[in-house]
Amino acid sequence: GEQVEQRPPHLSVREGDSAFITCTYTDPNSYYFFWYKQEPGASLQLLMKVFSSTEINEGQGFTVLLNKKDKRLSLNLTAAHPGDSAAYFCAVSDNYAQGLTFGLGTRVSVFP
Amino acid sequence: DMKVTQMPRYLIKRMGENVLLECGQDMSHETMYWYRQDPGLGLQLIYISYDVDSNSEGDIPKGYRVSRKKREHFSLILDSAKTNQTSVYFCASSLQGGQDTQYFGPGTRLLVL
Repeated sequence: GEQVEQRPPHLSVREGDSAFITCTYTDPNSYYFFWYKQEPGASLQLLMKVFSSTEINEGQGFTVLLNKKDKRLSLNLTAAHPGDSAAYFCAVSDNYAQGLTFGLGTRVSVFP
Repeated sequence: DMKVTQMPRYLIKRMGENVLLECGQDMSHETMYWYRQDPGLGLQLIYISYDVDSNSEGDIPKGYRVSRKKREHFSLILDSAKTNQTSVYFCASSLQGGQDTQYFGPGTRLLVL
């Protein structure tokens, strides 16, 4: 089955700097990709859903890159601020399977 | 406002007791899920429900069972809870299948002593 590796497990960045998180997946049939944010003690909130056909996806304060050739999905938090301190999870799905395969998460801390 | 609810939010049980976790959604979503989240292990899929009385095992179903008698309601049952089932349990729902966004509930923190 699908396996998702997420790096790094922990990331500490200064306010205003970028934070870069990468996930690699194994199943070439994976077609839908998700990034979720989880603040401490809270549930998962969808950051962005990415379709296989789109390589660069811009959000508010972040960019998601998809490289299908290398089976790599990346999240770049641009100009990080304290409100970005949270755990971030990538998740992958194909057209047929119903569940998501999650990465193990990256805990981001943004300090002044 | 789209919402997934979970009850209870916190639960303490003794080993061997039965546990019932409940999940509701008001979006008429067909598909619902139960995950558990442990430190360092991310989220692991326990069960999926495609609709009423149409359930399928996920990656870690052992020790759990589910019930879905109404589309908006999905229950997770632990018969004779074990200490290694101490975890945070998340319910999620999506319109249909893998291409649809999953919306997560607030989680239930279960401690089995």
